[in-house]
Amino acid sequence: EVQLVESGEGLVQPGGSLRLSCAASGFTFSSYGMSWVRQAPGKGLEWVSYISSSSSTIYYADSVKGRFTISRDDAKSSLYLQMNSLRDEDTAVYYCVRNPERLFDYWGQGTLVTVSS
Amino acid sequence: DTVMTQTPLSSPVTLGQPASISCRSSQSLVHSDGNTYLSWLHQRPGQPPRLLIYKISNRFSGVPDRFSGSGAGTDFTLKISRVEAEDVGVYYCMQTTQFPTFGQGTKLEVK
Repeated sequence: EVQLVESGEGLVQPGGSLRLSCAASGFTFSSYGMSWVRQAPGKGLEWVSYISSSSSTIYYADSVKGRFTISRDDAKSSLYLQMNSLRDEDTAVYYCVRNPERLFDYWGQGTLVTVSS
Repeated sequence: DTVMTQTPLSSPVTLGQPASISCRSSQSLVHSDGNTYLSWLHQRPGQPPRLLIYKISNRFSGVPDRFSGSGAGTDFTLKISRVEAEDVGVYYCMQTTQFPTFGQGTKLEVK
């Protein structure tokens, strides 16, 4: 069974930093591209970042480019999102999502990031 | 960015009756590889989204056959043949032909 478990939830002040993690199991993690998608409270979905299976291709949404960094550790079957210079508008539930061939097929339960002073 | 527009934004339905949601993209979703990367997701309250339909009309693993997808180019439709109580929630269309974008969501609720 595919499982994606996010962690790193927290309250951080504007301008602060936070690192999210996603532990994957039930599939060969190293073979899949992965994404982070976020959802502000009561709002819709917004894609944040993508990393390919080999880490050779990385993309970011314009809203986070230069502030967020996606990475992965295939030995630990883990995906990460380093978030710096956080803003109020980054407040959201962040989902880890598996991406085979442009599909968003399995989603984690999400972890809440709150940016507030 | 490719803008995805869903209609309606809210849909009250009667259990056992059909439901339909439309999604229009601001540009063609046909990829250079010939595929059209249009998916539908369902999100129940307090739950993460789950994939229902991919590449316009392919049901994902475990998705009941009362769900069907159709369309081409820029216009797409999700249909539920007979709505069940577990189908309530928000439905999103999304495209991955370009950088991923999502529709605003359509809230399906029981009358």
